[in-house]
Amino acid sequence: GAGVSQSPSNKVTEKGKDVELRCDPISGHTALYWYRQSLGQGLEFLIYFQGNSAPDKSGLPSDRFSAERTGGSVSTLTIQRTQQEDSAVYLCASSLGQITNEKLFFGSGTQLSVL
Amino acid sequence: AQKITQTQPGMFVQEKEAVTLDCTYDTSDQSYGLFWYKQPSSGEMIFLIYQGSYDEQNATEGRYSLNFQKARKSANLVISASQLGDSAMYFCAMREYWAGTALIFGKGTTLSVSS
Repeated sequence: GAGVSQSPSNKVTEKGKDVELRCDPISGHTALYWYRQSLGQGLEFLIYFQGNSAPDKSGLPSDRFSAERTGGSVSTLTIQRTQQEDSAVYLCASSLGQITNEKLFFGSGTQLSVL
Repeated sequence: AQKITQTQPGMFVQEKEAVTLDCTYDTSDQSYGLFWYKQPSSGEMIFLIYQGSYDEQNATEGRYSLNFQKARKSANLVISASQLGDSAMYFCAMREYWAGTALIFGKGTTLSVSS
């Protein structure tokens, strides 16, 4: 596709359930990022992939959060045993990963609501 | 500690006026990049402008310019001739190249432009 694609666009789940959020980056982009944005707040960095490896996962808030990337392309962010404080928009972004001043291209996000 | 600080939660300006959005940053890295993104109410993240730490001239992109004061560690965004469509949330972000960190965002400033 032409841009970063995220699915689902909306997810409503019950507290305690597991959820998977998917990100399909722009073809050829080796760098992929996950951010979380609570209502009216800034972007909170979660994890960064370069290829299939994650050089920086310092932003994952707890061990309930994990992410993987396969084939240097699609990434999945998994939240286990969801809590109400996990409710937020989860944004994925990708970039070429080759030059220092490159901009990130963002997806439209997944709105997660935990009831 | 906060790496990116945006002290103005909200700014108000009239059409055609110029406005400055403040951003200060904290890094010990000698090589870093500073970015500004715009997020309208639709939620998409729009890249505006980039400044590298070694760039001697302030970056400009159309009506946007970045007032880069390295010694003060500030990277303020200046929007000239504000338009109604500039009403949005604005985020300052930084990437540290030697440390290899991901792009870290500030908490944002909401800009409201009135006619």
